[in-house]
Amino acid sequence: QVQLQQWGAGLLKPSETLSLTCAVHGASFSDYHWTWIRQSPGKGLEWIGEIIQSGTTNYNPSLESRLTISVDTSRNQFSLKLGSVTAADTAVYYCARRYSYGYDNWFDPWSQGTLVTVSS
Amino acid sequence: DIQLTQSPPFLSASVGDRVHIACRASQGISIYLDWYQQKPGKDPKLLIHDASTLQSGVPSRFSGSGSGTEFTLTISSLQPEDFATYYCQQFNSYPITFGQGTRLEIK
Repeated sequence: QVQLQQWGAGLLKPSETLSLTCAVHGASFSDYHWTWIRQSPGKGLEWIGEIIQSGTTNYNPSLESRLTISVDTSRNQFSLKLGSVTAADTAVYYCARRYSYGYDNWFDPWSQGTLVTVSS
Repeated sequence: DIQLTQSPPFLSASVGDRVHIACRASQGISIYLDWYQQKPGKDPKLLIHDASTLQSGVPSRFSGSGSGTEFTLTISSLQPEDFATYYCQQFNSYPITFGQGTRLEIK
């Protein structure tokens, strides 16, 4: 059974960098897109970006200038860094596995989520 | 970006009812659409992928239909555990986007 376990700081001040890591248990790192998604009351679910084993990334243009997603295949982990955070970045952050083959695309499983609050 | 508009945003129904949740895309997305169920404090759970394929383990009372710009999630006979928020999501093009959600409440 595939499980995703994430961790990182939950309280940040404006202008700091949000940093989260997601560990993948029970699945090969290849053949999937490893994804970050966030959920805030004001904007609902928002796709942040993804990375594949080779290191190729796809980012949401709305966040791209502040965003870095990286992968450590030796540890089966991938990470999110979002710089210059503001209160608008307050959200629950999830990591998720995306399966992608032809018409078959889906997010499953998801992590338990981490609430990140940005406040001075 | 492709916008997904769900309707209605709120739905009040009773156990045993048949309900439909619509998702309209701002441009054609073929069948690159999934449906998720989310309960308070939990991560979203995959129900339907590629518009109409039921995910393994999901009860058969859930079904999906549509292609292009119009999609529908149907629950044939509501059970108490179905009261939750439902989201559609498209994979046709980047950035991947979600609908704003439909909250299904007990009448």
